[in-house]
Amino acid sequence: DSGVTQTPKHLITATGQRVTLRCSPRSGDLSVYWYQQSLDQGLQFLIQYYNGEERAKGNILERFSAQQFPDLHSELNLSSLELGDSALYFCASSGTGGGQPQHFGDGTRLSIL
Amino acid sequence: DAKTTQPTSMDCAEGRAANLPCNHSTISGNEYVYWYRQIHSQGPQYIIHGLKNNETNEMASLIITEDRKSSTLILPHATLRDTAVYYCIVRGIYGGATNKLIFGTGTLLAVQP
Repeated sequence: DSGVTQTPKHLITATGQRVTLRCSPRSGDLSVYWYQQSLDQGLQFLIQYYNGEERAKGNILERFSAQQFPDLHSELNLSSLELGDSALYFCASSGTGGGQPQHFGDGTRLSIL
Repeated sequence: DAKTTQPTSMDCAEGRAANLPCNHSTISGNEYVYWYRQIHSQGPQYIIHGLKNNETNEMASLIITEDRKSSTLILPHATLRDTAVYYCIVRGIYGGATNKLIFGTGTLLAVQP
């Protein structure tokens, strides 16, 4: 158990809809990261938050947004969903200090019908 | 972040040591080597990381060559549950965009009974 909790585990929805994925980081971790894993792209970094502030952005679509709340949990919002958004979405968290490893949750499997 | 090269796949007999190599010839002085594994669409699991000294924990050992251009992850007594894709990742230790993990295609380790 990594200590990172993601909900829901599975999500099935239709094209054009909007969903919210939730992540609770390990106790004490201030950094949260979101990654997407699709069959053709592998694991791709989307975005990082540190103590409520956006820290780094990867190849995140404009239809996607995220935020980190004062209690440090994070949400990834995906809107105007397309078939190609079907993927596993992972959240990771890490502590401060150089070299701290990221610990991943079990992911949310998003299926767009 | 430096690029890594790993074999696509490897086999190992159950109970034997599994030695997974990784080349990172362009690694810079402030970059760590991290190892993760992913078992069948579960979240990536952190295994170990190191800067220049060899490291050991309850899961594995990490051997880094003196010039730091390559490393080997050693699972001392592989079991069937160690069958997974193993990722070797080089990452800088400073904040900002360098905190993201860049996953390659990894090595599929198949432990045979």
